Amino acid sequence: DSGVTQTPKHLITATGQRVTLRCSPRSGDLSVYWYQQSLDQGLQFLIQYYNGEERAKGNILERFSAQQFPDLHSELNLSSLELGDSALYFCASSVEGVGAYGYTFGSGTRLTVV
Amino acid sequence: DQQVKQNSPSLSVQEGRISILNCDYTNSMFDYFLWYKKYPAEGPTFLISISSIKDKNEDGRFTVFLNKSAKHLSLHIVPSQPGDSAVYFCAASAPFGQNFVFGPGTRLSVLP
Repeated sequence: DSGVTQTPKHLITATGQRVTLRCSPRSGDLSVYWYQQSLDQGLQFLIQYYNGEERAKGNILERFSAQQFPDLHSELNLSSLELGDSALYFCASSVEGVGAYGYTFGSGTRLTVV
Repeated sequence: DQQVKQNSPSLSVQEGRISILNCDYTNSMFDYFLWYKKYPAEGPTFLISISSIKDKNEDGRFTVFLNKSAKHLSLHIVPSQPGDSAVYFCAASAPFGQNFVFGPGTRLSVLP
């Protein structure tokens, strides 16, 4: 157990729908990162939050949004889902920004859009 | 534009031999590099890191080499063990960077 909790582990939904992925960071970590891993692709950075505020944005689609709550958990909202959104979505956390040991990753949410 | 490249999608090595995983980067501002290991159904886990002020870092069976002029780093695993079979990601960050840029990963299979 890495200390980063992601729910749900698996999600199957239809095109056009909206889903919410949840992440609880490791205790003491203020930064939360979201990454997308599509089939045979690397980890694509989506967005970072630090202590409730957006800190950095990567290749995140306009249909996607995220937020970090006062208790530091984060949610990634994916709307108007398309088949191509099927992927593994990882949440990671760190104390602040990039650190000597990188991030601690959760085990991911596998999203399947049918 | 892929800033971190791992040109070998897969690699097979015999148990006990050396595994060499390669990573190239294009952004000369990158100054800190990590290797992550990922097993199926798990998130990536930190393996080893190297700063640009060094050209080698060793941790047990794992050694990372950095060639700044070539913008190339490599991970050596000696001796390779079947439990090392996993996907290995190279990641890089720039000074004051807020996030790591990951490569596409290399799937290592260590055959008994």
